[in-house]
Amino acid sequence: EVQLVQSGAEVKKPGESLKISCKGSGYSFTNFWIGWVRQMPGKGLEWMGIIWPGDSDARYSPSFQGQVTISVDKSISTVYLQWSSLKASDTAMYYCARQPTTVTKLVHFDYWGQGTLVTVSS
Amino acid sequence: SYELTQPPSVSVFPGQTATITCSGDKLGDKYASWYQQKAGQSPVLLIYEDIKRPSGIPERFSGSNSGNTATLTISGTQAMDEADYYCQAWDSSTVFGGGTKLTVL
Repeated sequence: EVQLVQSGAEVKKPGESLKISCKGSGYSFTNFWIGWVRQMPGKGLEWMGIIWPGDSDARYSPSFQGQVTISVDKSISTVYLQWSSLKASDTAMYYCARQPTTVTKLVHFDYWGQGTLVTVSS
Repeated sequence: SYELTQPPSVSVFPGQTATITCSGDKLGDKYASWYQQKAGQSPVLLIYEDIKRPSGIPERFSGSNSGNTATLTISGTQAMDEADYYCQAWDSSTVFGGGTKLTVL
């Protein structure tokens, strides 16, 4: 059974750093792209970026380039989303999701993590 | 940057057909996917590559894509279909529509 299990909710202060995780199981972890999606409170889905666990090739939405870092530790089948200095506007639910195709124009996400709620407040 | 536009809300009576649209420039030349998100839950893939349903998705969910509009059709809508629905496509990067709240009256 394919599963993406994310780390737990976080409460942080502005300016702090944070790294959340997404652990994949039940499939060949290094052969599928994993993406991150933001959902701010009461709002829609926003694609942040994606990583190929096989070689750590990461690509970012222009809206999130330079704001976050996506990384992977394939030895433990885990993808990370990291901030160096959080802002209150980073408060959101963050989902990881598996992309089951390497053909760019066919991009879609077939399995999703349960979400990690990040709250940034002073 | 590429944009996908959805109506904020759609209402339907139980048993009727719900139609949710997603508009984008020459969207018919791309591939559209649809996701359902119920309150407090993660999104679920309903339709990919315009018309394909993953295993486990009921046949009452169907998709089409032509011209500038992709459409998600829910036949025989049930109360359990009340949720937010998002379209998604790729144009130099992955793009989601703003979402449509489906209310089953």
